Amino acid sequence: QQQVKQSPQSLIVQKGGISIINCAYENTAFDYFPWYQQFPGKGPALLIAIRPDVSEKKEGRFTISFNKSAKQFSLHIMDSQPGDSATYFCAANPNNAGNMLTFGGGTRLMVKP
Amino acid sequence: KAGVTQTPRYLIKTRGQQVTLSCSPISGHRSVSWYQQTPGQGLQFLFEYFSETQRNKGNFPGRFSGRQFSNSRSEMNVSTLELGDSALYLCASSWTGGAYEQYFGPGTRLTVT
Repeated sequence: QQQVKQSPQSLIVQKGGISIINCAYENTAFDYFPWYQQFPGKGPALLIAIRPDVSEKKEGRFTISFNKSAKQFSLHIMDSQPGDSATYFCAANPNNAGNMLTFGGGTRLMVKP
Repeated sequence: KAGVTQTPRYLIKTRGQQVTLSCSPISGHRSVSWYQQTPGQGLQFLFEYFSETQRNKGNFPGRFSGRQFSNSRSEMNVSTLELGDSALYLCASSWTGGAYEQYFGPGTRLTVT
């Protein structure tokens, strides 16, 4: 059972454009939502994370928007750069259950120069 | 601070053998989680250890096991290897044992022939 659905599977954006990746979850016990960036041959790197008590969090060019009622959250990458080309994963962790992330399927982003 | 380290980085084993992978967390981190990454199933949670105790276990057969030592270093073991066990095995460490930032190592690439 896929508890976190991520879309799109792949995304091509022009340099300077906005990249948007969406995730939806089912388990209302989730209360921590991180995004990870993974380059080929590397482990996932934590980008930014949000908890349900806020609707938006921004760190540099990366913004998470969170809609608790719709059980959806998204990652916006502003001014996308070729160096942002990577695979992005959303994830969710349930409350009071330790660390056990459920990941979305991933989005392969390509930023064209 | 040094990041999460995993050894070995690459491993080739034969069906039926067993394998042990090692993970050293970031200094001061007490929680270690293991994940399996494959092209077909994506990133899946295996188990989490916190203060030498297994807190959570994912939906994997009993052939997959792990342990954590008093210095927070962790090992995972896979017995009776199957072709389908070929994957990137990722270790992540966290300060606490509950819904906190997890930082991943580079992974161990296991190939079963």
